[in-house]
Amino acid sequence: QKEVEQDPGPLSVPEGAIVSLNCTYSNSAFQYFMWYRQYSRKGPELLMYTYSSGNKEDGRFTAQVDKSSKYISLFIRDSQPSDSATYLCAMRSGGSYIPTFGRGTSLIVHP
Amino acid sequence: EAEVAQSPRYKITEKSQAVAFWCDPISGHATLYWYRQILGQGPELLVQFQDESVVDDSQLPKDRFSAERLKGVDSTLKIQPAELGDSAMYLCASSAQAGANEQFFGPGTRLTVL
Repeated sequence: QKEVEQDPGPLSVPEGAIVSLNCTYSNSAFQYFMWYRQYSRKGPELLMYTYSSGNKEDGRFTAQVDKSSKYISLFIRDSQPSDSATYLCAMRSGGSYIPTFGRGTSLIVHP
Repeated sequence: EAEVAQSPRYKITEKSQAVAFWCDPISGHATLYWYRQILGQGPELLVQFQDESVVDDSQLPKDRFSAERLKGVDSTLKIQPAELGDSAMYLCASSAQAGANEQFFGPGTRLTVL
């Protein structure tokens, strides 16, 4: 079993929908949680990061961390075709500089 | 806007040949990372540099892979000899300091080994 599990999708939604992307993990030492967006043939870019449990909001994006369930989520409101990309979760412990990435979920937002 | 530069963007080679990838991080970023991303998977660290020193190369297949960052600025990753299983995207990233949650990724080099 991998440390970080993420459904590869694809997840196809209509424009304007609320999107929920999720990851589960097994390492209870993880404290920093990140979401990256990766467009086709591009490198990942950081969308958001959170420390420990709780919610964080940035525009149309909300990240949630539930450490008791070892479950993190990224919500996208009012999804746009330009949101079509692969979304990678990543996480690390306080003692490590290197994040462990999920395999990514492919999101398709159709007009 | 400052970006991480990588070249070449695409490389096709035959197995047993040598290949090299180049990365120029964002100016002033002391920490540089090389990742390998197999299609459909997340990036996995190959090597991390702090300035010119290797901090972590525990996942680098040292029998065929080598990496250097001689002046603590740009970096080269080499594979010799290339094997079929090396086909992947090779991503370079940099951060202002080790442990920073934001790593800035380059566009990657897509390697195909025939």
